[in-house]
Amino acid sequence: GAGVSQTPSNKVTEKGKYVELRCDPISGHTALYWYRQSLGQGPEFLIYFQGTGAADDSGLPNDRFFAVRPEGSVSTLKIQRTERGDSAVYLCASSLTGTGVNYGYTFGSGTRLTVV
Amino acid sequence: DAKTTQPPSMDCAEGRAANLPCNHSTISGNEYVYWYRQIHSQGPQYIIHGLKNNETNEMASLIITEDRKSSTLILPHATLRDTAVYYCIVRVVGTSGSRLTFGEGTQLTVNP
Repeated sequence: GAGVSQTPSNKVTEKGKYVELRCDPISGHTALYWYRQSLGQGPEFLIYFQGTGAADDSGLPNDRFFAVRPEGSVSTLKIQRTERGDSAVYLCASSLTGTGVNYGYTFGSGTRLTVV
Repeated sequence: DAKTTQPPSMDCAEGRAANLPCNHSTISGNEYVYWYRQIHSQGPQYIIHGLKNNETNEMASLIITEDRKSSTLILPHATLRDTAVYYCIVRVVGTSGSRLTFGEGTQLTVNP
């Protein structure tokens, strides 16, 4: 597609439930990033994929968070046993290469997750 | 990655130049300066980046001081649609990937 697509755009879930957030990167972009943004804050890094593998998952806050990218394209961020503190906008970005010196990232519009 | 310091907010009149400062006094020689902006309810948008030379593109100009400890993003003729949060980011690009570390940015408000 022309841009990074994230679905759903909004998700409301009950505390303790499991959620999946999907990211469709720009076709051909090998690098994919997940960020989380709380109200009034800048985006916070979660995880980075180069192809199918997670090259850096140091930003994942705990083991309730997990992400996959099985075919090197679409990625899914999975959150188990959701907590109210997980409420945020989850942003996905992609770029042509992992090192991306000359390529800015392209971000999607995000998924707004609300845990009630 | 080096820490950046930006004013929390700025105002600009429509049609005038907006000059957004950023301090990155601990920047290393292999770190680039990147600028992104985020319009309300959208994802961040890449604007421009540079290493040590001044850069210009269709969106903005980036002026980096000779000692590289600060930079200024210039929007030459600000419009109402330029109202957004502007993030200045410095980062080193390595073989293991290149995450962006966002601060809180500058909220630019362009007034009619």
